[in-house]
Amino acid sequence: QQQVKQSPQSLIVQKGGISIINCAYENTAFDYFPWYQQFPGKGPALLIAIRPDVSEKKEGRFTISFNKSAKQFSVHIMDSQPGDSATYFCAASFYTGTASKLTFGTGTRLQVTL
Amino acid sequence: DAGVIQSPRHEVTEMGQEVTLRCKPISGHNSLFWYRQTMMRGLELLIYFNNNVPIDDSGMPEDRFSAKMPNASFSTLKIQPSEPRDSAVYFCASSPRDADNEQFFGPGTRLTVL
Repeated sequence: QQQVKQSPQSLIVQKGGISIINCAYENTAFDYFPWYQQFPGKGPALLIAIRPDVSEKKEGRFTISFNKSAKQFSVHIMDSQPGDSATYFCAASFYTGTASKLTFGTGTRLQVTL
Repeated sequence: DAGVIQSPRHEVTEMGQEVTLRCKPISGHNSLFWYRQTMMRGLELLIYFNNNVPIDDSGMPEDRFSAKMPNASFSTLKIQPSEPRDSAVYFCASSPRDADNEQFFGPGTRLTVL
């Protein structure tokens, strides 16, 4: 059962444009929603994260929007740059009592063209 | 401070052989996670440890897979015997006690089983 659904699978955006990636979750026990960025040949790296008590969080050109009632969250990359070309994963986690267990979306391959 | 260290970075082996992947988490982190990444299944959590103790191994695909964490600075993931369908990138990640939902990933080990 896929608990975190991510779309689109791939995205092409022109330099300077806005990249938008969406995710939806099912498990209401999730209490932390991070986004990871992965470059080819590298491990995923934490980009930005949000908790359900906040509807929006901005860090530089990256903004997470969170809709608790709809169980959806998204990331917006403003002024997209070629260096942003990577695969982006949304994730959701809940605390099991001993550690936080992450469930990842299927990933979005972003290509920013000149 | 060094990040998560994994070795080897690449492993090519023949079906039936034993494979051992190694991980050194970030010093001071008390949770360690093993993931597998494939095109078909995305990022899957295999097993995680808290304070060197295996907490949840429900993601381990078969008995051919085993993981150990003999001390706070070392973990292994072993596949015996290996099969072609085990070909994937295996990531190790660790997280600190005071922010256990922030997982830091290593560079991964690309395993090819012929």
